[in-house]
Amino acid sequence: EVQLVESGGGLVQPGGSLRLSCAASGFTFSSYWMSWVRQAPGKGLEWVANIKQDGSEKYYVDSVKGRFTISRDNAKNSLYLQMNSLRAEDTAVYYCARDFPAWADAFDIWGQGTMVTVSS
Amino acid sequence: QSALTQPASVSGSPGQSITISCTGTSSDVGGYNYVSWYQQHPGKAPKLMIYDVSNRPSGVSNRFSGSKSGNTASLTISGLQAEDEADYYCSSYTSSSTLEVVFGGGTKLTVL
Repeated sequence: EVQLVESGGGLVQPGGSLRLSCAASGFTFSSYWMSWVRQAPGKGLEWVANIKQDGSEKYYVDSVKGRFTISRDNAKNSLYLQMNSLRAEDTAVYYCARDFPAWADAFDIWGQGTMVTVSS
Repeated sequence: QSALTQPASVSGSPGQSITISCTGTSSDVGGYNYVSWYQQHPGKAPKLMIYDVSNRPSGVSNRFSGSKSGNTASLTISGLQAEDEADYYCSSYTSSSTLEVVFGGGTKLTVL
């Protein structure tokens, strides 16, 4: 079964850090661009970042540049999002998603999401 | 970069057809055929319904169709069913310098 499973969310104070993980299975992970997409409570979807198959290219939405880092380990079929200097406005459900059929096109496989709450 | 513009809500009766619009600019919807649509039920992850303007992924009902004219893309659902009630989001690749993919604000579909 093709699936993505996120983990690592939780409650963190403003200015703190958190590392999200996404475990992929059922497909050749190393063949796809991968993305993180977030959704604040009661709000719409927001693309956050994506990464090329070999990790050589990474793109971010302006609001997280310099604070978040996307990475991947193809040997472990895993995607990561290191989040530093967290702000209240980063509070959201974070989804990992597979880019399909190409980079920054659509997202055909989504994880169940992991909740990140930034609050004191 | 502003989100793509969608109506906040649409409604229809079972069996009817509805259309949800998604308006952008020449830097996103109008400039590329990389428009996609997602269905999201409460508490669930989004599901891809349409990609590249009008293509349906395997397993998606042919009651769902997509199109584009100029800077506006549209999702049409025919033969409305109760299970179609959900939030729908459009998205597009964008040539903006601030991000790669832009989403619409979402449309709540109510099946009366």
